[in-house]
Amino acid sequence: GEDVEQSLFLSVREGDSSVINCTYTDSSSTYLYWYKQEPGAGLQLLTYIFSNMDMKQDQRLTVLLNKKDKHLSLRIADTQTGDSAIYFCAESKGTYKYIFGTGTRLKVLA
Amino acid sequence: DTGVSQDPRHKITKRGQNVTFRCDPISEHNRLYWYRQTLGQGPEFLTYFQNEAQLEKSRLLSDRFSAERPKGSFSTLEIQRTEQGDSAMYLCASSPDNRDRVSYEQYFGPGTRLTVT
Repeated sequence: GEDVEQSLFLSVREGDSSVINCTYTDSSSTYLYWYKQEPGAGLQLLTYIFSNMDMKQDQRLTVLLNKKDKHLSLRIADTQTGDSAIYFCAESKGTYKYIFGTGTRLKVLA
Repeated sequence: DTGVSQDPRHKITKRGQNVTFRCDPISEHNRLYWYRQTLGQGPEFLTYFQNEAQLEKSRLLSDRFSAERPKGSFSTLEIQRTEQGDSAMYLCASSPDNRDRVSYEQYFGPGTRLTVT
């Protein structure tokens, strides 16, 4: 079946690194995405990774994919208060249909 | 602003009333999607259009829900005889249909928050 799980909350101090984790069950997923949602707003695409990659880096963001364990993580370096938001991972099979996780609420303490 | 826009941003309605939401995708995006997001959950897929054709509908989309994209540009989502369980954020997203691309990243609008009283 299709299921994407995330821990609900993460709290970090400003300047530290944040690591948000996601596990998924569908081994045929070909793309995995990270989205950010701020209060009252839609979802903003942060980055995505293709399933044949292990890692992708984009400025302060690093995505790690462990396909064997079906585990995806998003590391945010030098976390800022503006990074406080809900982060969703999503999977797809290279088609239009996304399966989203429940979201991780990141709180950055000044 | 060339992003996905949705109207209205908020809608309060009484149970049993009909409501209609509009989504304007990013211009030249062929694909358009509707999702529903309830409090504390991730978005759930409702339906998908490629141009004007509605290619898939989720089982979540009961017969009280109908979506259209008559000219392949903007889309409407109508809910008839609303129920309190319909209260949610309704999100629209669009993506390009570029066969040179290998990913299908979707760009989301700000959503329409529906409250059924």
